[in-house]
Amino acid sequence: AQSVTQLDSQVPVFEEAPVELRCNYSSSVSVYLFWYVQYPNQGLQLLLKYLSGSTLVKGINGFEAEFNKSQTSFHLRKPSVHISDTAEYFCAVSVGIYNQGGKLIFGQGTELSVKP
Amino acid sequence: DTEVTQTPKHLVMGMTNKKSLKCEQHMGHRAMYWYKQKAKKPPELMFVYSYEKLSINESVPSRFSPECPNSSLLNLHLHALQPEDSALYLCASSQSPVGVAGVWDGSAEQFFGPGTRLTVL
Repeated sequence: AQSVTQLDSQVPVFEEAPVELRCNYSSSVSVYLFWYVQYPNQGLQLLLKYLSGSTLVKGINGFEAEFNKSQTSFHLRKPSVHISDTAEYFCAVSVGIYNQGGKLIFGQGTELSVKP
Repeated sequence: DTEVTQTPKHLVMGMTNKKSLKCEQHMGHRAMYWYKQKAKKPPELMFVYSYEKLSINESVPSRFSPECPNSSLLNLHLHALQPEDSALYLCASSQSPVGVAGVWDGSAEQFFGPGTRLTVL
């Protein structure tokens, strides 16, 4: 069964510092991987996704992620964070169910807290 | 228009009430989803609709009753809920209904609404 593990539940960081949010997945087949962000009292917004091809994926708001098949990882990075990046970040993998559809399986989330 | 709207934003109900949550999208998506999210937890899938037909029910209690009256609307009818059902209910849609061959396109982005925060007293 496919699963996603986010290794850090909370990441505090100072403004303008770099940040990495870690995500590992388990899957025996090809995967589609996603990073979503959830700002307080809002829904989820897609930051970026990996489907195939280049292992470095660039997303919105200056975020990027690197897909590493050998390490089954999909870590999210930003070279310089802003106060406005304070949010919950979810890594997810999509799972298909034949003849029924599919769903996203989310990691437990990482709370990024950017301090001035 | 890449927006999914949900009403109401907040809902407080007693355990004997009947209420409904509404979700709407005008992106032409034929797959729609209901998720439940407890505080400090990830969203958990409840239901998936594909071409207005219920395709996945994640063993959700019958006090939650979904309905997809047309390709733009998704409702969640609530009856006799319990306090532990208090949560943020998120609706999402995507371009990936189940295909003719029974295959689902997992690469399609799901667009989420802002959610309805439900409190059951």
